[in-house]
Amino acid sequence: GQQLNQSPQSMFIQEGEDVSMNCTSSSIFNTWLWYKQDPGEGPVLLIALYKAGELTSNGRLTAQFGITRKDSFLNISASIPSDVGIYFCAGQDLPSGTYKYIFGTGTRLKVLA
Amino acid sequence: DADVTQTPRNRITKTGKRIMLECSQTKGHDRMYWYRQDPGLGLRLIYYSFDVKDINKGEISDGYSVSRQAQAKFSLSLESAIPNQTALYFCATSDLGTSGSYNEQFFGPGTRLTVL
Repeated sequence: GQQLNQSPQSMFIQEGEDVSMNCTSSSIFNTWLWYKQDPGEGPVLLIALYKAGELTSNGRLTAQFGITRKDSFLNISASIPSDVGIYFCAGQDLPSGTYKYIFGTGTRLKVLA
Repeated sequence: DADVTQTPRNRITKTGKRIMLECSQTKGHDRMYWYRQDPGLGLRLIYYSFDVKDINKGEISDGYSVSRQAQAKFSLSLESAIPNQTALYFCATSDLGTSGSYNEQFFGPGTRLTVL
């Protein structure tokens, strides 16, 4: 089946540092979504990307849709303790039609104060 | 009030028991989904529904069934629960129309199911 590699799997950073994570796919996606999941909660949508090359910001978060349509990255600037959580990327698989979302395995972020 | 709700939030059951997980949404979305989350495996799609008359299998549908009782309600059943179905289960919804937003999924808070 479709594979979506997300890295890093986990990271510890100091408060105030910038964070970068990425996802790569073995095939083309027509949409990339980035979610954050807090403990005991469902994933919450952070940023949605619809066009190759698109760069979108949401506060301290910036995400880009790769030109090849096979990758995306998420940056968090000046991290704060509440950024702790698991970040998931998700892509909508173009060849499979309009329904299927493929999720990455997540990046667990821990911020040291 | 939450737009997507799930009940129960936590459930412990025994092998062989029938279990039903409920999902309700007030977003007015046509599309609803059930996912399973296991540590290190991300979210995997179990079933999805585009409207009340439409039910489709996802990548891991074996051992599960669903019912779309109304636009706002989508239930997931485990007919005979087994221990490897212990996981976190999420319901999600998405909209059909509106350019630029129809691909976004909105998740419920999850149900933690433990099968002993």
